Amino acid sequence: NAGVTQTPKFQVLKTGQSMTLQCAQDMNHNSMYWYRQDPGMGLRLIYYSASEGTTDKGEVPNGYNVSRLNKREFSLRLESAAPSQTSVYFCASSDIGGSVTEAFFGQGTRLTVV
Amino acid sequence: KQEVTQIPAALSVPEGENLVLNCSFTDSAIYNLQWFRQDPGKGLTSLLLIQSSQREQTSGRLNASLDKSSGRSTLYIAASQPGDSATYLCAVRANDYKLSFGAGTTVTVRA
Repeated sequence: NAGVTQTPKFQVLKTGQSMTLQCAQDMNHNSMYWYRQDPGMGLRLIYYSASEGTTDKGEVPNGYNVSRLNKREFSLRLESAAPSQTSVYFCASSDIGGSVTEAFFGQGTRLTVV
Repeated sequence: KQEVTQIPAALSVPEGENLVLNCSFTDSAIYNLQWFRQDPGKGLTSLLLIQSSQREQTSGRLNASLDKSSGRSTLYIAASQPGDSATYLCAVRANDYKLSFGAGTTVTVRA
């Protein structure tokens, strides 16, 4: 049981380049999330998808776009990377209702923008 | 907007001492609260989940309490060990599905 899988694990981008962070979960969860973690700031929500076919902005959405490709996959795209987007990015999934409502996290993508 | 605060930001204790980690939140209309552990350079590992209708949850040496009306949760770790050294994060889920995190408490257990 893989849980939440993120790719890539590490990435270095030049300012202005674009990239897509991939996330897939195999727990049949409805809700998926993208967070960024910066020193001293904790985890901040970028975007989330409460269910397949819906996406909503979180606390820090500027400079990002997301796609809920299907129930399993939720991708995060940086169209024109900036040094301020250097961070560790985490994907998470969970369900609301039923017996399992824990959030499970991937291992993170460490992104450096130079 | 839900604000989650964790105090203290860092804690250093000798091995064997009990740990008490605090989490407070501003909006009591929550769905559940989850405690996580994060080791340096790693992802988040779920420790305990407390539903809004529960007062506490236990797993081994870990016990978490929830007082929704006062907006507080406490994580107790009994008889701490050096392997308990990590950052502990509290996350609150609102009824709109969002998970809001505190900045964490970094724990060092000295052998």
